[in-house]
Amino acid sequence: EIMLTQSPGTLSLSPGDRATLSCRATPNFGGDYIAWYQQKPGQSPRVLIYGVSTRATGIPDRFRGSGSGTEFTLTITRLEPEDSAVYHCQHYDQSPLPFGGGTKVEI
Amino acid sequence: QVQLQESGPGLVKPSQTLSLTCTVSRGAFSDNYYWTWVRQPAGRPLEWIGRVFTSGDTRFNPSLSSRVSMSIDTSKKQFSLNLNSVTAADTAIYYCAARVGGRPLDYWGQGIQVTVSS
Repeated sequence: EIMLTQSPGTLSLSPGDRATLSCRATPNFGGDYIAWYQQKPGQSPRVLIYGVSTRATGIPDRFRGSGSGTEFTLTITRLEPEDSAVYHCQHYDQSPLPFGGGTKVEI
Repeated sequence: QVQLQESGPGLVKPSQTLSLTCTVSRGAFSDNYYWTWVRQPAGRPLEWIGRVFTSGDTRFNPSLSSRVSMSIDTSKKQFSLNLNSVTAADTAIYYCAARVGGRPLDYWGQGIQVTVSS
């Protein structure tokens, strides 16, 4: 069973900064079925990135996913106040489909 | 574009069964989707509960598998969650969601708050 560990727990940054969020998978599942979701307060999550690095429809190129093996990263450049949210990673290949613990980004 | 809406009681007594339904609209209730339940206790991470395929095949989170069941009613375009022997630890926002194979959870309901309390 795959477990996902996200770090850091909270990021406090300023507008225009770059955010780097980590998602570590154990064990190495050897695939690219990693997604990132953004969840704003009081809202449902929405897909930002899937297949490690493919942006979902309408997601700006400030959001970039990367990684392989056991280490995956979501990078958000030129942070805007509207990017304040909790970001979750998920493995979505074979059931069960675990989520990471989430990273809260405060702008 | 699939739309999902959860419904069910917002308050359940300890030891009883939590039952929720998700109604699918504006999309074909086809055999391509994995109909999924996810929950989130206040201030806590998302937790994948399980999914039911249109065929009725189910998969559950091992940590909940002894207490959870799911079903699907294609004629009503609904799928359901039952979680028995609930405790306060089951208090959470419950989301229904959907995906097709090879894709993440592209579609989410708005979520429903369920509180377990006497």
